[in-house]
Amino acid sequence: AQTVTQSQPEMSVQEAETVTLSCTYDTSESDYYLFWYKQPPSRQMILVIRQEAYKQQNATENRFSVNFQKAAKSFSLKISDSQLGDAAMYFCAYRSGYGSSNTGKLIFGQGTTLQVKP
Amino acid sequence: GAGVSQSPSNKVTEKGKDVELRCDPISGHTALYWYRQSLGQGLEFLIYFQGNSAPDKSGLPSDRFSAERTGGSVSTLTIQRTQQEDSAVYLCASSSPSSGNTIYFGEGSWLTVV
Repeated sequence: AQTVTQSQPEMSVQEAETVTLSCTYDTSESDYYLFWYKQPPSRQMILVIRQEAYKQQNATENRFSVNFQKAAKSFSLKISDSQLGDAAMYFCAYRSGYGSSNTGKLIFGQGTTLQVKP
Repeated sequence: GAGVSQSPSNKVTEKGKDVELRCDPISGHTALYWYRQSLGQGLEFLIYFQGNSAPDKSGLPSDRFSAERTGGSVSTLTIQRTQQEDSAVYLCASSSPSSGNTIYFGEGSWLTVV
């Protein structure tokens, strides 16, 4: 079975600085997707960024980028130029590839609460 | 619709009562998921629908929990004889190959059992 681990329950960063959130996962599959979701106090889960396992290039979305290390099964999220609005709980998630016998459900880590200090 | 819509947003119920939570997925999304999130915790998978069928119900915690989906669209999660440990946010999500198989979430239904 696949597992996702986020070892940092809480992180803090100064506004305008850079912070990296860690995520590791365990799988025997070769085809899968990885995601970072943000959950602000409103509790809406917002997709931040996704990475296909077959792509070697790290995904980027504006101030958000990932460091995907497939051999190490590591998928960290870097937030550059942190803003007050980035404060939220961040979840790393794994999903089996399309066509897999699995249902495609997301498997989540326990989350990291990010505090942004003004 | 433009996004996944859930109702009610908040529900307070007495222990022992039945509750129904509704999810209206993004139009055209064939896959629908229910998750549960207890206070300060991660997300726990409950059930997955593909169209109107539920090939994966493995996350339903007890037989008090059931869900159905009709017309390949709206889904209802029913909790019978609610208990205090059922208090949580219930999140619905949907996806489709046309969305790149990315899963999009609703805002959740916050259930409090008193």
